[in-house]
Amino acid sequence: DAKTTQPPSMDCAEGRAANLPCNHSTISGNEYVYWYRQIHSQGPQYIIHGLKNNETNEMASLIITEDRKSSTLILPHATLRDTAVYYCIVRVVDSSYKLIFGSGTRLLVRP
Amino acid sequence: GAGVSQSPSNKVTEKGKDVELRCDPISGHTALYWYRQSLGQGLEFLIYFQGNSAPDKSGLPSDRFSAERTGGSVSTLTIQRTQQEDSAVYLCASSPTLNSPLHFGNGTRLTVT
Repeated sequence: DAKTTQPPSMDCAEGRAANLPCNHSTISGNEYVYWYRQIHSQGPQYIIHGLKNNETNEMASLIITEDRKSSTLILPHATLRDTAVYYCIVRVVDSSYKLIFGSGTRLLVRP
Repeated sequence: GAGVSQSPSNKVTEKGKDVELRCDPISGHTALYWYRQSLGQGLEFLIYFQGNSAPDKSGLPSDRFSAERTGGSVSTLTIQRTQQEDSAVYLCASSPTLNSPLHFGNGTRLTVT
């Protein structure tokens, strides 16, 4: 599975959008981009995933560049409860079940 | 509905003792995973169960570690002769199929003194 690169930390103000970038320049055509987050003292929580089209659900939006070499997770109106470590993972569906977690981005939402 | 349940939530044990960690996956989920997370580190894959297939044990760090899954449901991770470097949070996850997102429990924090 391809490697991802994320900034170690970010912060944003409560109520504003949080935009978390991820680089995956070696991604293959059959690899999906997954996002999970881990709030302190809890297990990771699935947020969203996509292949090449932008995706949106009740938690977030995922924007994938046309060349698929990078993506951005958008939390449209960040709250204090969104403070967590956010992991961007690429995964070959149908053949790889081992999610490889990197270091992630520690997001701090400021009041 | 109920999520993935792990017990105990915390375990303190003396070096050299054996420990058992339990995972109750979400009902109907055929895939079950164990991960380990050391302090301030990312998640390290340990073992994967899928239905009645042979488990993938490739992530187990030594032969002191073993896991079983009975009846395709509950799983137990056993660590024999614990060492201080085994101290970590042990996370269990399940998913309905191979391609589905993983649902994680809140883990068991193991401290070996």
